Amino acid sequence: QLQLQESGPGLVKPSETLSLTCTVSGGSISSSSYYWGWIRQPPGKGLEWIGSIYYSGSTYYNPSLKSRVTISVDTSKNQFSLKLSSVTAADTAVYYCARLFGHYYYGSGSYYKTLDYWGQGTLVTVSS
Amino acid sequence: DIQMTQSPSSLSASVGDRVTITCRASQSISSYLNWYQQKPGKAPKLLIYAASSLQSGVPSRFSGSGSGTDFTLTISSLQPEDFATYYCQQSYSTTFTFGPGTKVDIK
Repeated sequence: QLQLQESGPGLVKPSETLSLTCTVSGGSISSSSYYWGWIRQPPGKGLEWIGSIYYSGSTYYNPSLKSRVTISVDTSKNQFSLKLSSVTAADTAVYYCARLFGHYYYGSGSYYKTLDYWGQGTLVTVSS
Repeated sequence: DIQMTQSPSSLSASVGDRVTITCRASQSISSYLNWYQQKPGKAPKLLIYAASSLQSGVPSRFSGSGSGTDFTLTISSLQPEDFATYYCQQSYSTTFTFGPGTKVDIK
């Protein structure tokens, strides 16, 4: 059974860089079938897509965060990571990692992307 | 960005009730719409993808419909374990966006 686990500091000071790692077990991060993504959720609020990465290193970022976000992958460790720079209190959130899987419909040629496996999430608080 | 809205923002229902949640996109997203269930302190769980396809292992009382800009999630007979918050999410754009959520609680 595929499992994802986030890890990293739970407290980050304003203006510093938030760094998190997602470790994938029960499957290979190098599979050509999947992207891997980060999503966050401020306390009591909704979900925000941060970005995704392919095992080759190809990335997609949310334009609203793009100037501060870097997502990288380490296939030797079966991990991918998130760095968010210049954080403020508004970046306080539960951060989730997830697998991005696409269902291909041959009839229509459509490719439907889903977030089908998620980590448990880790709360990161930005405070001095 | 494609904006997603949901209605209602919350609802109260009883076990056995039929529940319907609506999601609307700011532009046409064809059938690129997913639904997730989230319980307090837990990660979201995928229920429906491609607007109407049931994710493996999800009970058949959950169903989805719609295309273009208007979508619906229906729970045919609400069970105690279904009290949760439900989110829609579009995957039409490479920048995924989620609806604000609909909280389903016990009447």
